[in-house]
Amino acid sequence: EDQVTQSPEALRLQEGESSSLNCSYTVSGLRGLFWYRQDPGKGPEFLFTLYSAGEEKEKERLKATLTKKESFLHITAPKPEDSATYLCAVRAGGSYIPTFGRGTSLIVHP
Amino acid sequence: NAGVMQNPRHLVRRRGQEARLRCSPMKGHSHVYWYRQLPEEGLKFMVYLQKENIIDESGMPKERFSAEFPKEGPSILRIQQVVRGDSAAYFCASSPPYLNTEAFFGQGTRLTVV
Repeated sequence: EDQVTQSPEALRLQEGESSSLNCSYTVSGLRGLFWYRQDPGKGPEFLFTLYSAGEEKEKERLKATLTKKESFLHITAPKPEDSATYLCAVRAGGSYIPTFGRGTSLIVHP
Repeated sequence: NAGVMQNPRHLVRRRGQEARLRCSPMKGHSHVYWYRQLPEEGLKFMVYLQKENIIDESGMPKERFSAEFPKEGPSILRIQQVVRGDSAAYFCASSPPYLNTEAFFGQGTRLTVV
C-alpha cells in the first residue's frame, strides 16, 4: 500500500529562521510528488510538482527537492505570511489518485 | 480561467436529511476527485470520476454516499440520511486527462449536521 508520511506534524519558527519540512514515501513507481499549501478554512493551493530524484523547484522563499525516498520543502527566511499547513501528495504506478500525507502545520512568529 | 468552483461553501443539514455538494472543474479538466477532511486529519480520498464514469470509488462509504459527473453540468457528491459523523470539509479537485499532472482544488464545502 502506498504511504506518505510528513514530519514534523507541527513546526514553530521565528521570522527569518530557515528550516525544512520532510515528506517520505513508499510507493511503487512514483509518477509525481506534489506540494500544496493550505490556509485555515480554504482549499489546498498547488505549489510544486517533482517527478524524478535530483529534481528541484523554487518559488519565492520555498524550495522543493526530491530523492528516491523523500522530498524536502525548504523554507528560507520565512515570514509570518508563510504560516499554513503544508501538504505532500504522491501519484504512483498506474493510479490517477493523489495520496496525501497528514501535513505539517507551520507557524512563523514575527 | 476560473478555478475549481464548489458550492455551497457552507451547508447545514439536520440528521436524516440529504446533502448535495457540487463541483465544477477547471476548464479543460475531465478528471474530478472528491476528498474529505476532518479537523487535524489529512485529506482522505473518496471517489475519482471522469465524465459519465466512476473510475474508483474505493474511499467512499458503500451506504448513503454516491457521486456522479454527468456529460453536462457539475460533479455532484450526494449524502443521503446524513448523520453527525458526516460533518466535515469536502474538497473537490480536478486535473487534465494526463496521468502525471497536478490536481487543483476548490475551496471546499463545509458540511455541518445538527
